Amino acid sequence: AQKITQTQPGMFVQEKEAVTLDCTYDTSDPSYGLFWYKQPSSGEMIFLIYQGSYDQQNATEGRYSLNFQKARKSANLVISASQLGDSAMYFCAMREPVSGGKLIFGQGTELSVKP
Amino acid sequence: DVKVTQSSRYLVKRTGEKVFLECVQDMDHENMFWYRQDPGLGLRLIYFSYDVKMKEKGDIPEGYSVSREKKERFSLILESASTNQTSMYLCASSFAGGVTRGNEQFFGPGTRLTVL
Repeated sequence: AQKITQTQPGMFVQEKEAVTLDCTYDTSDPSYGLFWYKQPSSGEMIFLIYQGSYDQQNATEGRYSLNFQKARKSANLVISASQLGDSAMYFCAMREPVSGGKLIFGQGTELSVKP
Repeated sequence: DVKVTQSSRYLVKRTGEKVFLECVQDMDHENMFWYRQDPGLGLRLIYFSYDVKMKEKGDIPEGYSVSREKKERFSLILESASTNQTSMYLCASSFAGGVTRGNEQFFGPGTRLTVL
């Protein structure tokens, strides 16, 4: 069964607007970590933000924030004030303790920022 | 800064050739990983390693093998390349440990392999 689901293959956003990228996950373990990565056209995966399952507050890193809704098993990435350089693939990933250091990735969402 | 390097950005090989993809990290990470990335499928784990000379199969190990003789280096080997192994290959590394803040994986720039 798919453990990480990103239902938006592609999205467009106007420059300077906010955008939300969806991610839902499935796990029976109470302890897990959720990650978002950005992959520009150059190919390198860039770590953006992390949310632990026991974290009381939603994670924020600059213009990135994670809308963590534990009961709904969703971990949506919110990018505020989009910039042209935000155009990239975005991947949601999860790590469970039983899997050691392994990450399970979603299919990705391609974000295009329009000027 | 953490640095993960991969031996080639682009590689073209012929069917049946033996292919070596090398990955080196300079942060003394215990864990190293090899993924392949295909459109619409995200990243899929091929093999990973928790320590020198130690390896574990990921989700799609068929047709691949790995070698980790030194802590900083993790090699992916295609014993006999086939056209369905044409893909982007990404190497990553991280510290050992559980699900904690700061234990993210750091990725190399990727190798785009084409098998003709």
